[in-house]
Amino acid sequence: DTEVTQTPKHLVMGMTNKKSLKCEQHMGHRAMYWYKQKAKKPPELMFVYSYEKLSINESVPSRFSPECPNSSLLNLHLHALQPEDSALYLCASSRTSGGAGSYNEQFFGPGTRLTVL
Amino acid sequence: GNSVTQMEGPVTLSEEAFLTINCTYTATGYPSLFWYVQYPGEGLQLLLKATKADDKGSNKGFEATYRKETTSFHLEKGSVQVSDSAVYFCALSASDSGYALNFGKGTSLLVTP
Repeated sequence: DTEVTQTPKHLVMGMTNKKSLKCEQHMGHRAMYWYKQKAKKPPELMFVYSYEKLSINESVPSRFSPECPNSSLLNLHLHALQPEDSALYLCASSRTSGGAGSYNEQFFGPGTRLTVL
Repeated sequence: GNSVTQMEGPVTLSEEAFLTINCTYTATGYPSLFWYVQYPGEGLQLLLKATKADDKGSNKGFEATYRKETTSFHLEKGSVQVSDSAVYFCALSASDSGYALNFGKGTSLLVTP
């Protein structure tokens, strides 16, 4: 299984809602990532988890709260978002988050397209 | 800091034309280099990679060679198809940035019949 799955595929939420995005992989990868991608732009790194511990937070606002319950699962909890947070949210995983070569080759999921009204 | 520069798009080609998308990088140390492709409405797929100088990555008819002397990793394909229409991202990862991917701005490719 070389797939990263993400649910839901689409999400529409109001600014007062609380919702969660889910990401799952069964490749035995120990690093997982959240990226945000606006239209016609490259992905921007948000968070990196390594061995279920948060290792990088790219100064993301606290209305985004990541969680890594186990090595296969990564969640992104959303609360009090703004319309400018509307974007495609991509999850990725790699064997580890350190080391060159195939160890940090990242596999991406299809993304969740989020619209904040 | 590390950075990746890609040629500006969009690039429009006729089917069976030769494709080159230029990518140059700035990095300290010895980064790994990647090309990712994003089809409309989808996530990113790894197209090819190279982890050291003079390595050539290849996949689905696409090729790129890691050139340390020119700090480049240009993407080429001899004969493009309509199904190659997508956005192509050049990226690097390096130890001094925690091996997080550093993307170029992306190049949109449209192949017409």
